Amino acid sequence: AAGVIQSPRHLIKEKRETATLKCYPIPRHDTVYWYQQGPGQDPQFLISFYEKMQSDKGSIPDRFSAQQFSDYHSELNMSSLELGDSALYFCASSSSWQGATNEKLFFGSGTQLSVL
Amino acid sequence: SQQGEEDPQALSIQEGENATMNCSYKTSINNLQWYRQNSGRGLVHLILIRSNEREKHSGRLRVTLDTSKKSSSLLITASRAADTASYFCATASSYNTDKLIFGTGTRLQVFP
Repeated sequence: AAGVIQSPRHLIKEKRETATLKCYPIPRHDTVYWYQQGPGQDPQFLISFYEKMQSDKGSIPDRFSAQQFSDYHSELNMSSLELGDSALYFCASSSSWQGATNEKLFFGSGTQLSVL
Repeated sequence: SQQGEEDPQALSIQEGENATMNCSYKTSINNLQWYRQNSGRGLVHLILIRSNEREKHSGRLRVTLDTSKKSSSLLITASRAADTASYFCATASSYNTDKLIFGTGTRLQVFP
């Protein structure tokens, strides 16, 4: 069965550079969530989208932006990168017919971002 | 953590023993979910328990939910070395169901 696909798997950037992370949800899933997980930390909610509209926003810096496209894939854009942005970034998807989080989320393998 | 604490933060047991992890949360919830994460990998859903349920089973997993105490426990019976991972609880708020909030996680080590 198809899973959530994230790319790239690893990304190395310098401070002040820009990064774009991509997420392809499971087919027919219309809800996407982004989470950030620092080393040894719990996943922190960043932002979510339902039917291409932002549905909720968490502790996402103003330097970050995200969107969901017509094919339901999502991109997280990160600018003016800082050392503290180094983390594992997860995307998750769900089908929302039961309610956005009334069912389990399917997570991708994540993108490991290292800012040097 | 945005949500609460899990305890213990780390747990080491021998194969065959049972492992119990606890989770506390702060807000009224719609459901509570448990996820497993192998080191540096994605989170895998284990079990979902709704706010009107008190106990749920899935294979070697048993989850309880006490909404009056705002707490849940995950029991893994007859543990195996392959159960070694971090385990997180996550809650969907009654007021905002557009996201899951994760607890701090328990790192489980099962020795063969």
